[in-house]
Amino acid sequence: EVQLVESGGGLVQPGRSLKLSCVASGFTFSNYGMNWIRQAPGKGLEWVAYISSGSSYIYYAETVKGRFTISRDNAKNTLYLQMTSLRSEDTALYYCARFSWEPGFDYWGQGVMVTVSS
Amino acid sequence: DIMMTQSPLSVAVTPGESASISCRSSKSLLHSNGITYLSWYLQRPEKSPQLLIYQISNLASGVSDRFSGSGSGTDFTLKISKVETEDVGIYYCVQFLEVPWTFGGGTKLELK
Repeated sequence: EVQLVESGGGLVQPGRSLKLSCVASGFTFSNYGMNWIRQAPGKGLEWVAYISSGSSYIYYAETVKGRFTISRDNAKNTLYLQMTSLRSEDTALYYCARFSWEPGFDYWGQGVMVTVSS
Repeated sequence: DIMMTQSPLSVAVTPGESASISCRSSKSLLHSNGITYLSWYLQRPEKSPQLLIYQISNLASGVSDRFSGSGSGTDFTLKISKVETEDVGIYYCVQFLEVPWTFGGGTKLELK
């Protein structure tokens, strides 16, 4: 069974940093691209970042480019999102999601909440 | 960026009846390889989104055949036949043609 479990969220002050993790199991992690997708409270879904299976291709939404860094450790089956210079508008539930071109985001984690507030 | 526009914002359906949700993109989602990268997701209350349909009309594994997708180019439709209680939630379309991948604003399905 495919499982994606996010962690690392919490309450953080504006301008500070936070690092999210997503541990994958039930599939060969190194064969799949991975994404972070977020959802602000009461709002819709926003794609944040993508990393290819071997980390060769990395893309970001303009809203986070230069502040967030996506990375992965295939030996640890873990996806990361390093978030710096956090803003109140980054407050959201952050999901990691597996990606393949045929189905798209085919599996999602349960999400981890990040709240940016003083 | 490709803009995805869904309508209606919400729909109330009597159980057993059908519902249709529209999604329009600001640019054709047809890739030069002949594939149209348009998917549909359902987010049930307090749950993570679930893939329903990919490449316009392909049903994801384990998804009820009461769900069907159609369309081409810039106009797409998700149809839900014989609506059940478990279909309640917010439906999103998303395009994978170009980065940034973009979602529609969502359509909330409720029961009458």
